[in-house]
Amino acid sequence: GESVGLHLPTLSVQEGDNSIINCAYSNSASDYFIWYKQESGKGPQFIIDIRSNMDKRQGQRVTVLLNKTVKHLSLQIAATQPGDSAVYFCAENSPNDYKLSFGAGTTVTVRA
Amino acid sequence: DGGITQSPKYLFRKEGQNVTLSCEQNLNHDAMYWYRQDPGQGLRLIYYSQIVNDFQKGDIAEGYSVSREKKESFPLTVTSAQKNPTAFYLCASSTLAGANTGELFFGEGSRLTVL
Repeated sequence: GESVGLHLPTLSVQEGDNSIINCAYSNSASDYFIWYKQESGKGPQFIIDIRSNMDKRQGQRVTVLLNKTVKHLSLQIAATQPGDSAVYFCAENSPNDYKLSFGAGTTVTVRA
Repeated sequence: DGGITQSPKYLFRKEGQNVTLSCEQNLNHDAMYWYRQDPGQGLRLIYYSQIVNDFQKGDIAEGYSVSREKKESFPLTVTSAQKNPTAFYLCASSTLAGANTGELFFGEGSRLTVL
C-alpha cells in the first residue's frame, strides 16, 4: 500500500482565510518531504520541502510543519487566493532512494 | 527556455495498439521519471532512469517499456499488455542530487484515452 497519504480529499476555503492541508506518512525512514501543487491539466510544481531534522520551514505565504512523532506533515497557506485553487500532493523520500512516494492529493477550492 | 516537454498532450488509442509518449528535457538533468496519475490517486512511478542506457522499474511497470538512448530523452511506450492504459502520464526530471532530495521538475502531462 501507499506510505504517504492525505487526510482529506477536498478542502473548500474562503478567499483570504488560511488553509491547512494535512498528510500522514508511515515510513519512519523517510527523511525528506515535499509539497507539490498541481493546477488543472498541468504537471505538479514544487512548493516547499523540509528535511526530517527540521520541524518547520517557511516560504512565501506557505509554511510546512513536520511532526515526526506522529508521522504527520502539514502545509499552511496564508491568506488563500483564487490562484491557490489546485490539487496539493505531499511526497516523501527515504535515504538513498531515488524515487518519491506520493500521497493521493487534496483538492483545494477557494471561494470568492 | 529550459524545461521539460511532453508530447502529445492528448492521445487516443484503439485497444491492442502500442503508443509512445515523448519526453524531452533541456535542463541537463541526469535523472528522468515516468509517473501515472489516475483520478483521486497520487502519482505512481512507472519507470525511472538515472543515467543514459540504464533504467529501473517503478511500482507499476507492467505493460510499459522505456528507453534512454540520450540524456535529453526518455520515451514511454504503453503496450497492448497494459490492461488499463487510460490515464494522465507525467514525465519528470531531476539532477542526481535532486533525485536524492526529491525535487522533480514535471512536464505538462499527456492524457491517453483508449477507445
